[in-house]
Amino acid sequence: NAGVTQTPKFRVLKTGQSMTLLCAQDMNHEYMYWYRQDPGMGLRLIHYSVGEGTTAKGEVPDGYNVSRLKKQNFLLGLESAAPSQTSVYFCAIDGDFQETQYFGPGTRLLVL
Amino acid sequence: GNSVTQMEGPVTLSEEAFLTINCTYTATGYPSLFWYVQYPGEGLQLLLKATKADDKGSNKGFEATYRKETTSFHLEKGSVQVSDSAVYFCALSEMGGTSYGKLTFGQGTILTVHP
Repeated sequence: NAGVTQTPKFRVLKTGQSMTLLCAQDMNHEYMYWYRQDPGMGLRLIHYSVGEGTTAKGEVPDGYNVSRLKKQNFLLGLESAAPSQTSVYFCAIDGDFQETQYFGPGTRLLVL
Repeated sequence: GNSVTQMEGPVTLSEEAFLTINCTYTATGYPSLFWYVQYPGEGLQLLLKATKADDKGSNKGFEATYRKETTSFHLEKGSVQVSDSAVYFCALSEMGGTSYGKLTFGQGTILTVHP
């Protein structure tokens, strides 16, 4: 997966708990993305970053925050988890040729 | 805004059958088009892409042609194998021609191939 790792692989949270998902790349790509995947809805963009220190909102940003303090890492935070945030979360990086994104293996999150 | 619509699944085929998965899109500009594949328990992998009208993307026996006149990018394969069983996603980049185009995905089509 072009050197994209995600931590953790699986997590169960109770409503109201917080957590941080980590995406790390061992490439030197500028652009990183967080998507969520839900049945019948494809992948939807939550937030993205076009470089260290920058972040921007995607299609479904509510309830999430992100940070890109280091170029290699893109963190996705849930301050107060809700059952509607039960999903599979994928990180992606912009590839080494135009317009191809490489995806991490995913984090499965269950909010009870 | 931009949108991608894929044919409803799941699709179930016998080995060596012909595959078509329809994909149509709506975009304001001139997007690039992609097919991604997701094998069970894995992340998405790029299968093929096309960046301008009439381009044909191809990989692993799959192909798709960028048809601007019908706003379509249908995926085809002449003879499927059991190992092709996966979820297939059609997608477009929000800003065609730029390397930080945000992807807009279709809902995905589950393909199951039986021996």
